[in-house]
Amino acid sequence: DTAVSQTPKYLVTQMGNDKSIKCEQNLGHDTMYWYKQDSKKFLKIMFSYNNKELIINETVPNRFSPKSPDKAHLNLHINSLELGDSAVYFCASSPRDYRSIEQFFGPGTRLTVL
Amino acid sequence: AQKITQTQPGMFVQEKEAVTLDCTYDTSDPSYGLFWYKQPSSGEMIFLIYQGSYDQQNATEGRYSLNFQKARKSANLVISASQLGDSAMYFCAMSTLLIQGAQKLVFGQGTRLTINP
Repeated sequence: DTAVSQTPKYLVTQMGNDKSIKCEQNLGHDTMYWYKQDSKKFLKIMFSYNNKELIINETVPNRFSPKSPDKAHLNLHINSLELGDSAVYFCASSPRDYRSIEQFFGPGTRLTVL
Repeated sequence: AQKITQTQPGMFVQEKEAVTLDCTYDTSDPSYGLFWYKQPSSGEMIFLIYQGSYDQQNATEGRYSLNFQKARKSANLVISASQLGDSAMYFCAMSTLLIQGAQKLVFGQGTRLTINP
């Protein structure tokens, strides 16, 4: 009965490779997000989708491309991985209701680029 | 632009004592929300408490309370009767409601809280 799930939990890969992280939520929420947490624990939003439509697109390299096949899924594809992409990536979701404020986070995916 | 500042990189507290984690914010939006999240060593992000900018009373959730001082733009987290399990990283965050229901959460740098037995 996991609310927001991410796969894989750990991802170790070589520089230059392409990789994807998958996210699924079973909460019926309309909005999903990707956050990046760097080695200093700083969390920053990358993208947000609402019902498959891109809403937030922060200053993120074009190598990062989110894809939302339906409102329950938001995947993150990263091309040509670089050392600086090593981080923990969190998926989150929230309902489309101003009165319901919590963003539910997934467990995170730790990406290590060698 | 929105900004969250947590000035305490680390705090050490004796078990059962109360602890206050500081958070100040800056925004020009009239409507916003303030959050606290806990991140234990296992890595997950756990929602603790929320305060809306128009809420008249300070939010409380069990042992957690949010000391909201709007004029001073501060939203400190107070944990009463601290427990060993409270040892974790704590993040203050602010959001505004954007178009189509999306919230953009802006996080502070975090405070690492250690509870000593």
